Amino acid sequence: KAGVTQTPRYLIKTRGQQVTLSCSPISGHRSVSWYQQTPGQGLQFLFEYFSETQRNKGNFPGRFSGRQFSNSRSEMNVSTLELGDSALYLCASRLGSYSGYEQYFGPGTRLTVT
Amino acid sequence: GENVEQHPSTLSVQEGDSAVIKCTYSDSASNYFPWYKQELGKGPQLIIDIRSNVGEKKDQRIAVTLNKTAKHFSLHITETQPEDSAVYFCAASKVGAGGTSYGKLTFGQGTILTVHP
Repeated sequence: KAGVTQTPRYLIKTRGQQVTLSCSPISGHRSVSWYQQTPGQGLQFLFEYFSETQRNKGNFPGRFSGRQFSNSRSEMNVSTLELGDSALYLCASRLGSYSGYEQYFGPGTRLTVT
Repeated sequence: GENVEQHPSTLSVQEGDSAVIKCTYSDSASNYFPWYKQELGKGPQLIIDIRSNVGEKKDQRIAVTLNKTAKHFSLHITETQPEDSAVYFCAASKVGAGGTSYGKLTFGQGTILTVHP
C-alpha cells in the first residue's frame, strides 16, 4: 500500500506571496493532519480534517488554512508569507475511525521564504 | 493545553548498548502516546505506541513503558545498531470517547540518538 505523498517536495517563495501544498493520504484513510516543523519550535500541530470538515485547529494565525476533498486529499494554504514561515510542512493520515489512532507521516514539503 | 517534555536532547551510545529516552506530559486526560523516528530528509516514522490502559509494550528491540500516575513514558532500545541513529520524538494525544478520536499530537522536542560502531 502506498504511503502518504506530498507535493511539491521543495518550494521557494518570496515574502508576501501565497503558497498551496498538497497531501494525498494512505488509501482508505479519511483523516489528514498538518504539522509545521522548525528547528526552534519543533513539531507543531496546524489542523486536522476528517470527512471534508476541519475537526481541530492549532495556534496558528488565520493566514494558515486548509481544506479536504471528497477523496480525502488535502491542501493547505499560507497567504502573505513571512520569513518565519520557512519550515518543513508535514502531512499525516490515519483511518479516522475509532481504532484509527496511528498517524502516518509523509516526507514533507520544505518551504523556504526569501 | 498539553505540554510534553523530552529528555535527553542528545544521546550517544556504543553499538550493542541500550538507549533510554524519557518524556513527561502535563494533561492527565492524554491517553495515546506514540514514538516516532525521523531520519534526515524524511518524515517521522511511527515505531511504537502505547495507550493509557497498558503499562508496557514491546516490539523486538524496542519497548515503551507508561506510568500514568507520574505522567511519564519512556522508550527503550536494546542492542542498538548504527541504523538506529536518528531523531526520536515522543508525542501525546487525547482520544475522544463515543467512537471519535482526535488527530492532534503534541510532540516533545526530540532526542538525537547517535550509535557509534
